[in-house]
Amino acid sequence: DAGITQSPRHKVTETGTPVTLRCHQTENHRYMYWYRQDPGHGLRLIHYSYGVKDTDKGEVSDGYSVSRSKTEDFLLTLESATSSQTSVYFCAISDAKGEGTGELFFGEGSRLTVL
Amino acid sequence: GENVEQHPSTLSVQEGDSAVIKCTYSDSASNYFPWYKQELGKRPQLIIDIRSNVGEKKDQRIAVTLNKTAKHFSLHITETQPEDSAVYFCAASIKYSGGGADGLTFGKGTHLIIQP
Repeated sequence: DAGITQSPRHKVTETGTPVTLRCHQTENHRYMYWYRQDPGHGLRLIHYSYGVKDTDKGEVSDGYSVSRSKTEDFLLTLESATSSQTSVYFCAISDAKGEGTGELFFGEGSRLTVL
Repeated sequence: GENVEQHPSTLSVQEGDSAVIKCTYSDSASNYFPWYKQELGKRPQLIIDIRSNVGEKKDQRIAVTLNKTAKHFSLHITETQPEDSAVYFCAASIKYSGGGADGLTFGKGTHLIIQP
């Protein structure tokens, strides 16, 4: 498996509290992504990064922010968690090496429950 | 943007039979079509992929076909086994506006059940 870890793996929090999920990679891949997975919706992109301090929105970015201060770390922050953000969050990395889209390697996932 | 439709949402087959999952996509610029398998409680993992310059690709019991004209691609699993039970996701490549990044848009998944 690619060197990608997520923390925490499980978290229960209350509505209105801030939450930060961390994705750490040891592969030196350029691209990093945060997806959420919900039943009946598959995997939906929240935000992505194409380099240090270079990030952009995905299709479900409302209520989320991200930061990437180092190549190896990509943080996802929920400024004020809501129950609709209860989900499993997956980080992914890729390094297309000039061939266009390449394989995405996923982390183990972080299960977030907002009460 | 890209839209990927996947059918069926659930597929139950007898062990030893074949399974076929189908996807359609909307963006004619898409050129990469991977399939991911996700076992219960695990991360999605790539099982096979195909690029737009190829019509078919096979890896042991798994094959993928692509029809670029019709904008659809399919996953074929032959001689199904209990360990094939999982959720399968198709995806199509998409070009993001930021930094020329490439990414994937996923279908909603197919829960494949192998009946003994």
